[in-house]
Amino acid sequence: KNEVEQSPQNLTAQEGEFITINCSYSVGISALHWLQQHPGGGIVSLFMLSSGKKKHGRLIATINIQEKHSSLHITASHPRDSAVYICAVPPRGGTSYGKLTFGQGTILTVHP
Amino acid sequence: DAMVIQNPRYQVTQFGKPVTLSCSQTLNHNVMYWYQQKSSQAPKLLFHYYDKDFNNEADTPDNFQSRRPNTSFCFLDIRSPGLGDAAMYLCATFTPFHGYTFGSGTRLTVV
Repeated sequence: KNEVEQSPQNLTAQEGEFITINCSYSVGISALHWLQQHPGGGIVSLFMLSSGKKKHGRLIATINIQEKHSSLHITASHPRDSAVYICAVPPRGGTSYGKLTFGQGTILTVHP
Repeated sequence: DAMVIQNPRYQVTQFGKPVTLSCSQTLNHNVMYWYQQKSSQAPKLLFHYYDKDFNNEADTPDNFQSRRPNTSFCFLDIRSPGLGDAAMYLCATFTPFHGYTFGSGTRLTVV
């Protein structure tokens, strides 16, 4: 079973700050997913990455396969970024669409 | 442009009364999932399909059934809802290129 650890569990920031959320996993994977969930809402997939770095708007995700670590960065944070951010990985050796193991989530609150 | 559509957004059902949640997708993705998410918990996989190949998680209660009549539609049937089945139910699709696309979810209340 792949263990997925996220840090921090809670994060409070002021608008405009640079945010970093970390994710570590225990077993090699084909890809890692970053997801966003607003309170009471559905889930939005932010990134799927298997190597290197991806950028979408103010969001940047990086992964280091050797160190089994990924980070999600938010530049110039905004109150609308307030949400739960979840890191998820498929099973080791499994297909990339297999059952995901989820991190416990990071609750981000950005104050104006 | 919603690509994975779940109906209804909110569903109230009576204890023991069968209920069906629906999911449709315009993406033509082969893989579809049903997840259950309770408050402050991570989503829990109930079922997934690869095309019509159905995969039932070992710990999914028998009370939960699923149907996928075609690529576009997938249904979650709860035969006799209990109070413990109140949750957000999430439908999702997957492709290796696009990754996951989730619907907005159906929040089920059991009264």
